[in-house]
Amino acid sequence: DAKTTQPNSMESNEEEPVHLPCNHSTISGTDYIHWYRQLPSQGPEYVIHGLTSNVNNRMASLAIAEDRKSSTLILHRATLRDAAVYYCILRPLTGTASKLTFGTGTRLQVTL
Amino acid sequence: DVKVTQSSRYLVKRTGEKVFLECVQDMDHENMFWYRQDPGLGLRLIYFSYDVKMKEKGDIPEGYSVSREKKERFSLILESASTNQTSMYLCASSLVLLGTSGNIGELFFGEGSRLTVL
Repeated sequence: DAKTTQPNSMESNEEEPVHLPCNHSTISGTDYIHWYRQLPSQGPEYVIHGLTSNVNNRMASLAIAEDRKSSTLILHRATLRDAAVYYCILRPLTGTASKLTFGTGTRLQVTL
Repeated sequence: DVKVTQSSRYLVKRTGEKVFLECVQDMDHENMFWYRQDPGLGLRLIYFSYDVKMKEKGDIPEGYSVSREKKERFSLILESASTNQTSMYLCASSLVLLGTSGNIGELFFGEGSRLTVL
């Protein structure tokens, strides 16, 4: 199964942009890149996903390297409410469920 | 509003007890998952199911079993609880990913069940 590697923790100041990296060097051609975040005392929630092209939504942007071996989740202006653990996972394009491995994620701290 | 409901937020059990953790989703999802979350170890997949009565082992199935008798319900069973099964347990569900149909196979999680085994 393709795995992802993320830094254990990152810090940001409020109102500053944050770039959260993820390496997935063994990604296959049909794997989607999904990002989730987990706020304190809650289950993870979906943030954004992509396949090859960069993606934007109301929560964040996703920049995907040309070779797809890495990606970066971009929070354009971090707020205190963005303090969470961010997970990058690979979602195989398949008709049935498959093992979805989350790993340890990146704990983002946001300070005033 | 989509919803994954886990039966108990907090449970305290004794070593050797049989423990049932229940998860119900109201989204008609085919796929359901059980994870456990421990400090420093992240989320680890215990079991998943892609259809009624179908199940597959995840990364750490030892000491656990599951049951999926109805599409909306996925139960995690600890036949004989041990202290090393003290953890946060998270259930999730998703639709089957169907290529370019627009369904991205997003996972929806419950709020978690914190189990303490004494």
